[in-house]
Amino acid sequence: RKEVEQDPGPFNVPEGATVAFNCTYSNSASQSFFWYRQDCRKEPKLLMSVYSSGNEDGRFTAQLNRASQYISLLIRDSKLSDSATYLCVVTSGTYKYIFGTGTRLKVLA
Amino acid sequence: GAVVSQHPSRVICKSGTSVKIECRSLDFQATTMFWYRQFPKQSLMLMATSNEGSKATYEQGVEKDKFLINHASLTLSTLTVTSAHPEDSSFYICSANRDRGSSDEQYFGPGTRLTVT
Repeated sequence: RKEVEQDPGPFNVPEGATVAFNCTYSNSASQSFFWYRQDCRKEPKLLMSVYSSGNEDGRFTAQLNRASQYISLLIRDSKLSDSATYLCVVTSGTYKYIFGTGTRLKVLA
Repeated sequence: GAVVSQHPSRVICKSGTSVKIECRSLDFQATTMFWYRQFPKQSLMLMATSNEGSKATYEQGVEKDKFLINHASLTLSTLTVTSAHPEDSSFYICSANRDRGSSDEQYFGPGTRLTVT
């Protein structure tokens, strides 16, 4: 079983739609969780950290469920510019990042 | 703040030659830097953790004699791919963890695309 699993997609959604991604992780001792966005042939960029209490940044909402060991990302009112690959990241030990395979999102006009 | 640069951004080399990639933290000090590799349509895979002033820690399956890492200062880590082969062609990305930072967030460089012919 992979340490961090994501549905690779692609998720094709129309502009304005709401889309949600989930990510599961296997190490219950993981401490930190992030969502990164990666555009084609570019480096990953931090989208948001994920906390147990949940956090929201504009159209983006992230949630962490430690009991079930998954994190989620909700994107409301999708824009064409949201098209990218969304990477779930879980830390293992001190500072070490474990990346999920990423979920591809295509927002269609 | 928290900018990480990589050089070169793209390199093409012949099989059997060595290639050095530099990773610099421009506006912060980083005792710890990380090297990742990403093949097409795959996620980032951690290759090694680079520690200033000490030996790098390599992930399982990564040959330390092939991927030489040097972290000589608090702002610079280098990865040298020795005797490169076509299967080493990949996107190499470094990241740095800010010393005295309040979180374990990593800051990523823009990546180096290596093509071995």
